[in-house]
Amino acid sequence: EVQLVESGGGLVQAGGSLRLSCAASGFTFSNFWMSWVRQAPGKGLEWVANVNQDGTDKYYVDSVMGRFTIKRDNAKNSLYLEMNSLRAEDTAVYFCARDGVPLWLHWGQGTLVTVSS
Amino acid sequence: DVVMTQTPLSLSVTPGQPASISCKSSQSLFYSNGKTYLYWFLQKPGQPPQLLIYEVSNRVSGVPDRFSGSGSGTDFTLKISRVEAEDVGVYYCMQSTQLPRTFGQGTTVEIK
Repeated sequence: EVQLVESGGGLVQAGGSLRLSCAASGFTFSNFWMSWVRQAPGKGLEWVANVNQDGTDKYYVDSVMGRFTIKRDNAKNSLYLEMNSLRAEDTAVYFCARDGVPLWLHWGQGTLVTVSS
Repeated sequence: DVVMTQTPLSLSVTPGQPASISCKSSQSLFYSNGKTYLYWFLQKPGQPPQLLIYEVSNRVSGVPDRFSGSGSGTDFTLKISRVEAEDVGVYYCMQSTQLPRTFGQGTTVEIK
């Protein structure tokens, strides 16, 4: 069974940093692109970033470019999102999701990041 | 960026009646490989989104056949032939033909 479990969320002051993790199991992690998607409280969904199988190809939504870094460790079956210079508008539940065919069939339960101003 | 516009934003449906959600994109979602990367998700309260339909009209295994997707180019539709109580939630369309991947605003479906 495919499982994705996020962790690392919490309360942080504006300008601070946080590192989110997503532990993957039940599939060959190194075979799949992976994504982060976020959802601000009471709002819609926003794709944040994705990374290819070996971590060499990464894409970001403009609003996080230069502040967030997506990484992966295939030896640990883990996906990460390093978030710096956090802003109030980054407050959201952050989900990791598995790319592939079909896209985003599998999601984690999410981890809440709250940025206080 | 490709803007995805869903209508209506909310829908109240009597059980057993049909429902339809429209999703229009600001650019064609047809990709050079012949595929169209338009997806439909349902998000129930407190849960992550669940994929219902991928590449316009392909139903995910386990999704009831009362759900169907159609469309091409810039106009897409999700139809529920007979709404059931378990279908309540927020429905999102999403495109991945172009980066950044973008979602519609969401359509809230409730039962009358």
